[in-house]
Amino acid sequence: QKEVEQNSGPLSVPEGAIASLNCTYSDRGSQSFFWYRQYSGKSPELIMSIYSNGDKEDGRFTAQLNKASQYVSLLIRDSQPSDSATYLCAVNGGADGLTFGKGTHLIIQP
Amino acid sequence: EADIYQTPRYLVIGTGKKITLECSQTMGHDKMYWYQQDPGMELHLIHYSYGVNSTEKGDLSSESTVSRIRTEHFPLTLESARPSHTSQYLCASRAGNYGYTFGSGTRLTVV
Repeated sequence: QKEVEQNSGPLSVPEGAIASLNCTYSDRGSQSFFWYRQYSGKSPELIMSIYSNGDKEDGRFTAQLNKASQYVSLLIRDSQPSDSATYLCAVNGGADGLTFGKGTHLIIQP
Repeated sequence: EADIYQTPRYLVIGTGKKITLECSQTMGHDKMYWYQQDPGMELHLIHYSYGVNSTEKGDLSSESTVSRIRTEHFPLTLESARPSHTSQYLCASRAGNYGYTFGSGTRLTVV
């Protein structure tokens, strides 16, 4: 059974610091990896996708992928209170679409 | 602006009623999904579709059914609502192996 593991948190980070969110996955055949942000009571919003090893940067967000270690991470630079949310890691590898982790609850302290 | 629409946003209904949650997307995506999510909890896949006339059950045992008669439309039906069905229902679609686009969700309360 495909699994995606995340630390549930809460992860508390001071405003302006770097928030680092981590995710491991079990299916070595996975090819596509995604990070979603979900505010309380709202639906998930896609913020980053990554398909090859290395780093991918988009504004304050950097996704990192290491397929050998089966590890995906999301860095948020210059964290803002508006970044406080639950971050879901998702991995594509099966016929039924994405497998989601349980999410990491991030709190940015002003 | 959302390209995937769910209605209603909120629904309170009595036990035993039949309900249909609507989901429509204007992006021409073949793949569509229904998830159930309780507050603060993980997403559970309940149904998915690869295209017209294709429907599959997901990981979560569900008393709901779905249909896919048109590419853009993927409604979910509960024949007899129960309090245990109280949850948020999220519809999503995707093109190829790209990420999902989620609708705004339907928050269902069965009393």
